[in-house]
Amino acid sequence: QVQLVQSGGEVKKPGASVKVSCQASGYTFTNYGFSWVRQAPGQGLEWMGWITAYDGDTKYAQKFQGRVTLTTDTSTSTAYMELRSLRSDDTAMYYCARVGARPDYWGQGTLVAVSS
Amino acid sequence: IVLTQTPLSLPVTPGEPASISCRSSQSLSDSAYGTTYLDWYLLKPGQSPQLLIYALSNRASGVPDRFSGSGSGTDFTLRISRVEAEDVGVYYCMQRKEFPSVTFGGGTKVEIK
Repeated sequence: QVQLVQSGGEVKKPGASVKVSCQASGYTFTNYGFSWVRQAPGQGLEWMGWITAYDGDTKYAQKFQGRVTLTTDTSTSTAYMELRSLRSDDTAMYYCARVGARPDYWGQGTLVAVSS
Repeated sequence: IVLTQTPLSLPVTPGEPASISCRSSQSLSDSAYGTTYLDWYLLKPGQSPQLLIYALSNRASGVPDRFSGSGSGTDFTLRISRVEAEDVGVYYCMQRKEFPSVTFGGGTKVEIK
């Protein structure tokens, strides 16, 4: 069965970076892409970007352009999301989602808290 | 593309029907491919989002048939024929016409009266 397992929660100081992992299993990794979506406290879902595991092509939301980097490691079937120059309003639950035609399977979420 | 969901909050009585509206700033229909790029997700408390409806009206695997999606062009509706207690959570519509970029509606919180 398809499973996406994300790394554990993080506490970061403003200005720092965070890298969240998403390990996939139960399907052929390179046949799909990944979207990263976040939910800040009391807010809705916000799409951050997408990467294809086939060749690493990426597409970022304009809001995060220059501050986020998505990568994949086909040897470990893992997708990564790195967010830099963290601010307090980056405090959120971050989700990875497998994407074929649409996001279908989701990771359990990783809570990133940014606080001085 | 901006998606506007209404209502923001929806108190429901178990066994009663419920409906959520999603309006798009642009048409999400593609006549060339005969599809509509509109999906619905449910975010239950303490869980990850789950796909309910894809391509306007197709139920995802394991989704009960009390859930249905309809609409066309820019106006869409998610209906629950008879709400159950397990249906509480926040419902989101999502457009993927500009794939791989997607946008979500603001969400509708469904709670039991």
